[in-house]
Amino acid sequence: NAGVTQTPKFRILKIGQSMTLQCAQDMNHNYMYWYRQDPGMGLKLIYYSVGAGITDKGEVPNGYNVSRSTTEDFPLRLELAAPSQTSVYFCASSPTGRETPLHFGNGTRLTVT
Amino acid sequence: AQKVTQAQTEISVVEKEDVTLDCVYETRDTTYYLFWYKQPPSGELVFLIRRNSFDEQNEISGRYSWNFQKSTSSFNFTITASQVVDSAVYFCALSEARGNTPLVFGKGTRLSVIA
Repeated sequence: NAGVTQTPKFRILKIGQSMTLQCAQDMNHNYMYWYRQDPGMGLKLIYYSVGAGITDKGEVPNGYNVSRSTTEDFPLRLELAAPSQTSVYFCASSPTGRETPLHFGNGTRLTVT
Repeated sequence: AQKVTQAQTEISVVEKEDVTLDCVYETRDTTYYLFWYKQPPSGELVFLIRRNSFDEQNEISGRYSWNFQKSTSSFNFTITASQVVDSAVYFCALSEARGNTPLVFGKGTRLSVIA
């Protein structure tokens, strides 16, 4: 099993550009999450989904959008990139609810200049 | 709202020393789950342990041990006889059964083990 796969691993964007961070899992997990990690700030939840067709905002959703059309995929969309979105983005999944540990992807390092 | 505090930003120890990483949490829920994750220099996040609020038994796994105390709202992590490979950022996290946010992380403690 590949687990949670994130693409790309690195990306540099110019201010105002758009992009989609891809996330796919092959474990048939219902729950999927997007976190961002800023230096010294831990991980902050951007959006999460409890199943196909259902998404909800996390702590820092502004500037991002998500969709969950299938169980496997949970892409994160940045519409108008800003320098404040420079971060490392982690996608994660878990089989059931809040009691289960998260399986993380390897992250996408995004720089907006 | 739930909150996790890891007061130690960075810790440096010499190999073979014991080290304890502190984690203090806040929650109003009676049912919750506590986690520790490790992030080595390569960047991936690795799950270490989960505890639920009804299980206060301490746990030992090799050189790792965890002390969960509801009375002080703490879930501390001790590494015995530290090794260079233990160098990483360690995150404590809290998930409430009924809270709005699925999982909240502390800011992490960077542990450096010097040979």
